[in-house]
Amino acid sequence: GEDVEQSLFLSVREGDSSVINCTYTDSSSTYLYWYKQEPGAGLQLLTYIFSNMDMKQDQRLTVLLNKKDKHLSLRIADTQTGDSAIYFCAENPNTGNQFYFGTGTSLTVIP
Amino acid sequence: NAGVTQTPKFRILKIGQSMTLQCTQDMNHNYMYWYRQDPGMGLKLIYYSVGAGITDKGEVPNGYNVSRSTTEDFPLRLELAAPSQTSVYFCASRPQSGNTIYFGEGSWLTVV
Repeated sequence: GEDVEQSLFLSVREGDSSVINCTYTDSSSTYLYWYKQEPGAGLQLLTYIFSNMDMKQDQRLTVLLNKKDKHLSLRIADTQTGDSAIYFCAENPNTGNQFYFGTGTSLTVIP
Repeated sequence: NAGVTQTPKFRILKIGQSMTLQCTQDMNHNYMYWYRQDPGMGLKLIYYSVGAGITDKGEVPNGYNVSRSTTEDFPLRLELAAPSQTSVYFCASRPQSGNTIYFGEGSWLTVV
């Protein structure tokens, strides 16, 4: 399968910005995704970016895509305690049948 | 507003027992998936289906079986449960023309 990599842990103080990074391997991925998983729950789609875009902003969320380096990041502005969760990066090569997920980054927001 | 529904939410199995994790979706999605989630390992695809009557292996299919007799249901069967199958299992679905997948709440399985 494809290799989608993320760091496992990130801690930030409430009110600061969080940046979660991801690297992926398949340059044919048309869409790249960020999912959020709260404790004891399933994954919920946060946002996604089309591969011909460099940036996408949605309220406090900013997604940056560097196709040359195959690097995706998620920035959360003014991080709140409710943002504490695991964040998964995912790719969907060739808009095919399979989605490949990273290991997930556990974000802890310190009050 | 059901979406993807999984049962049971929690289950403890003894080694060698078998069980079926149920998954149903009410969105008329063609694609359905089973993933397992292990700490620090992310989600690994077990099996997927592109429509009723069609199933395919994912990255980690060994020890599991699936069937897709209807569009709505995609049960995952564990035969001869092993401790290595202790995990959280997620069912997901996607419409044929869509580019995002929708997840169930998860099923926590412990094999002792």
